[in-house]
Amino acid sequence: AQKVTQAQTEISVVEKEDVTLDCVYETRDTTYYLFWYKQPPSGELVFLIRRNSFDEQNEISGRYSWNFQKSTSSFNFTITASQVVDSAVYFCALSEVNSNSGYALNFGKGTSLLVTP
Amino acid sequence: DGGITQSPKYLFRKEGQNVTLSCEQNLNHDAMYWYRQDPGQGLRLIYYSQIVNDFQKGDIAEGYSVSREKKESFPLTVTSAQKNPTAFYLCASRNLGSELYGYTFGSGTRLTVV
Repeated sequence: AQKVTQAQTEISVVEKEDVTLDCVYETRDTTYYLFWYKQPPSGELVFLIRRNSFDEQNEISGRYSWNFQKSTSSFNFTITASQVVDSAVYFCALSEVNSNSGYALNFGKGTSLLVTP
Repeated sequence: DGGITQSPKYLFRKEGQNVTLSCEQNLNHDAMYWYRQDPGQGLRLIYYSQIVNDFQKGDIAEGYSVSREKKESFPLTVTSAQKNPTAFYLCASRNLGSELYGYTFGSGTRLTVV
């Protein structure tokens, strides 16, 4: 079963628009970690943020912000005033402390974001 | 600088051939992972290893093999039994003792069957 769901396959926005990428996760663990990665066309994964299950504080970093809500099992990512350079595929991922996969990251299928001028 | 090196960046394979993808890290990380990425599928776990000389199957291990003879190296062999090997392969590592749970990724190998 898919543990991380990114329902939005593709999003297209015009530069300077705000955009929110949704992530819903599923786990029975009480201790887990959530991540967001950016994958530009070159293919490498760029780490954006990590959250542990005990820290529900929202976070803002420049134009990026994250909204973690355990009650709805969501970890959404918002880009404010989007720029063309934000165009990439964005992945949400889950790492469960009590999993039997060596703390491997469980990825969603990704959301492809296109920002046009 | 510390990091993960994957080679080659591009690899072409004829049907029926085995190929080996290299993954080397100089971060002194304990755990290493191989992921496969297909368009629209996200990243799926192939194999992982938490200590030298030990490794475990991930979600899609069929048609692949690995070894972990050295802490810094975790090569992946795509065998002829893998029916659809064309994909982007990413290697990752992390330090098991790290409270930060930081993962480091390589830049990937794009494998194409010709």
